[in-house]
Amino acid sequence: GAGVSQSPSNKVTEKGKDVELRCDPISGHTALYWYRQSLGQGLEFLIYFQGNSAPDKSGLPSDRFSAERTGGSVSTLTIQRTQQEDSAVYLCASSLSYSPNQPQHFGDGTRLSIL
Amino acid sequence: DQQVKQNSPSLSVQEGRISILNCDYTNSMFDYFLWYKKYPAEGPTFLISISSIKDKNEDGRFTVFLNKSAKHLSLHIVPSQPGDSAVYFCAASGVYSGGGADGLTFGKGTHLIIQP
Repeated sequence: GAGVSQSPSNKVTEKGKDVELRCDPISGHTALYWYRQSLGQGLEFLIYFQGNSAPDKSGLPSDRFSAERTGGSVSTLTIQRTQQEDSAVYLCASSLSYSPNQPQHFGDGTRLSIL
Repeated sequence: DQQVKQNSPSLSVQEGRISILNCDYTNSMFDYFLWYKKYPAEGPTFLISISSIKDKNEDGRFTVFLNKSAKHLSLHIVPSQPGDSAVYFCAASGVYSGGGADGLTFGKGTHLIIQP
C-alpha cells in the first residue's frame, strides 16, 4: 500500500529476550520517526532519522534501545533484554522532508507485550 | 512535565452539533501545531495543522484556532458526524520540542463520542 507499514503488528515475548520492530516508510519520504504509546499515555517521541542518520538519540529510553535505517528507507528498532515496562505500542511515522512543518504520517504500530 | 495538555479525557457531543476540542501548551518555542485522529488499533491520522504565524486554519468541517498569547489551541468540528468518534491528539513541534528537533510532542488525547 501507499502508507507507512510496520511489522509485526503484534509481538508477545518473554522478559529478557531481544525484539526487532520494522518500519517501511512512505516511498520518497526522507524523514522517519519512532514513537511509543504506553497504556493511558500520549505518544512519546523516541528518535528520528534524516536519511540514514539519527542526529539525536537522547529520546531513547535506555541503552537497551537502538535504531537503524539503511538505504534511506526501512528502519528497525531493536530492544535488547526486554523488560515489562517496555510493553507499549511502538509507532513509526514518516514525512516528506526533514522539517518541523511537514505533517508526519503514521503506521498502525506494533503492539509489544512483555510477559 | 507535560508540555502539551489536553485536559478533557473525553467529550460527548450530539450528532450535527459542534465539537470543540481544546489543547494547551507551555513551551513558547513551539511554532507548529497539529491535530491527529486515532481509531482503535490504528495509527494516528493527520487531520489539520497550523503555523504559529496564523490564528486560524480551516479544512472542510475542521477548523483549528490558535491563541499564542494564551498558549491555547482548539479544534472545531462542525457539523459532528458519527464517524468523528475517535481519540483526538494535539501535537506540537519546534526547534526545542524536546527529544530531538523534529519529534512531535503529543497530548494524552481526548476521546470524542458523537451521540446519534
